[in-house]
Amino acid sequence: EPEVTQTPSHQVTQMGQEVILRCVPISNHLYFYWYRQILGQKVEFLVSFYNNEISEKSEIFDDQFSVERPDGSNFTLKIRSTKLEDSAMYFCASSRTRTGANIQYFGAGTRLSVL
Amino acid sequence: AQKVTQAQTEISVVEKEDVTLDCVYETRDTTYYLFWYKQPPSGELVFLIRRNSFDEQNEISGRYSWNFQKSTSSFNFTITASQVVDSAVYFCALSEPDQTGANNLFFGTGTRLTVIP
Repeated sequence: EPEVTQTPSHQVTQMGQEVILRCVPISNHLYFYWYRQILGQKVEFLVSFYNNEISEKSEIFDDQFSVERPDGSNFTLKIRSTKLEDSAMYFCASSRTRTGANIQYFGAGTRLSVL
Repeated sequence: AQKVTQAQTEISVVEKEDVTLDCVYETRDTTYYLFWYKQPPSGELVFLIRRNSFDEQNEISGRYSWNFQKSTSSFNFTITASQVVDSAVYFCALSEPDQTGANNLFFGTGTRLTVIP
C-alpha cells in the first residue's frame, strides 16, 4: 500500500542550526502539506504546497520556514535557524486532490529536538 | 475559538467494553468535511473516516461506527468491543474549503484511549 515516508525519524540539532526534514509523498498525489505537533498538543497546520508553490500557510509558518520540492519525489521543510520552541513532531501529508473532500495521508513524522 | 473540541482528554476502558469518543466542531461554512485519525504509540497518523456536511448518514465499519449530527455539531466515534490494539490517541479534524479550495485540517486536541486487558 502506498505510503508517505519521512526521514529522519528523529533529528537532534543545536539551537540556531538549520535543519531539513524530508518527505516522499505518495507518488500520484499532487498536494503536499506540513503539520507539526508539539509534545502532548494538537496537530497544527503549517503549509500546503501545489504546483511548486505555497498554496496556504499558517501564522506559524514564518520566514524561518521554507518548503521545496527539489525533484519529482521529495518534499522538504527547512527551518533556517532553529529555536527551542521548534521542538515538535513534524508530519508530512499528501493528497490526490485539493478539494475539502480529499483525504490527506500522513507520514510517520520526524521528531525534531532542538537543544 | 476552537474549531474542533474533544473534551475527553483521556479515557480508559476494559477490553471488550464499548467506548464513545466525542467531537464537537464549529464552523460557519455550509460545506465542510470531518475526519477521524488514529495515532498509535508508534506516532503516525492513520486516516479512519471522512464525512461531508451533506451526508448525515451514520457509518459503520467493523467495530467502528460514527454518529454525525449537524443539529448538535457533533461527530462522535464509537468503538464496539474494544481491543488492546485500539489503544491510541484519536483526533477529530475539520476541513473548511474556502473559495480557492484550500483545505488544511483543523485538529482537535485528541483523546487518549487506553484499553486495559
